[in-house]
Amino acid sequence: KAGVTQTPRYLIKTRGQQVTLSCSPISGHRSVSWYQQTPGQGLQFLFEYFSETQRNKGNFPGRFSGRQFSNSRSEMNVSTLELGDSALYLCASSLEGYEQFFGPGTRLTVL
Amino acid sequence: QKEVEQNSGPLSVPEGAIASLNCTYSDRVSQSFFWYRQYSGKSPELIMSIYSNGDKEDGRFTAQLNKASQYVSLLIRDSQPSDSATYLCAVYYAGGTSYGKLTFGQGTILTVHP
Repeated sequence: KAGVTQTPRYLIKTRGQQVTLSCSPISGHRSVSWYQQTPGQGLQFLFEYFSETQRNKGNFPGRFSGRQFSNSRSEMNVSTLELGDSALYLCASSLEGYEQFFGPGTRLTVL
Repeated sequence: QKEVEQNSGPLSVPEGAIASLNCTYSDRVSQSFFWYRQYSGKSPELIMSIYSNGDKEDGRFTAQLNKASQYVSLLIRDSQPSDSATYLCAVYYAGGTSYGKLTFGQGTILTVHP
C-alpha cells in the first residue's frame, strides 16, 4: 500500500505571499490531519478533515485554511506569509482520526 | 489544557542496552497512545500504538500503559545505533473537540553509542 504523499517537498516564499500545500492520504483513509513542526513549539495541530468536512481546528490564525476533496486528498493554504510561518508542515492520514501515519512533510522557508 | 510530558533527555545508552523512554499525560479522558520515531530531517514514523493497560510487545519494542498513573513508556531492547532518533509520545483524547488531533510531547532524543 502506498504511503502518504505530500507536495511540494520544499518551498521558499517571501513575506506576504501565499502558499498551497497538497497531501494525498493512504488509500481508504478518510481522515487527514495537518500539523506544523518547529524547533521551539514542536508538533502543533492545525486542523483535521474527514470526508470533506473540517471536524477540528487548532489555535492558528485564519490565514491558515484547508480543504478536502471527494477523493480524500487535502490541501492547506497559508495566506500573507510571515517569517514565523517557516516550518515543516506535516499531514497525517488515518482511518478514524487517531492512529495517524505521516507523510514526508513540506519544508516551508519564508524570507 | 491537555498536556503530554516526556523526560527531556537527551538519553544516551550503549549498544545492546535497554533504552527506557517515559511519558505522562494530564487528562484521564484519553483513549489512545502512540510512540513515533523521528530521524533528523525526516517525518515522524509510527512505531507503537497502545490502547489498554498493560504491555504490548513488537520485536525489540515494548510499550507499557498505566492509565491509573497516567503514564506510558517505551522500552527498546538490544538498542542499536540505528535507533538513535527523537522519540515522540502522542495521546489521542476522547471527546468531540479532539477529532483527528494528536497531542505530542516535546520528544526525547535518544543516542545509542557503539
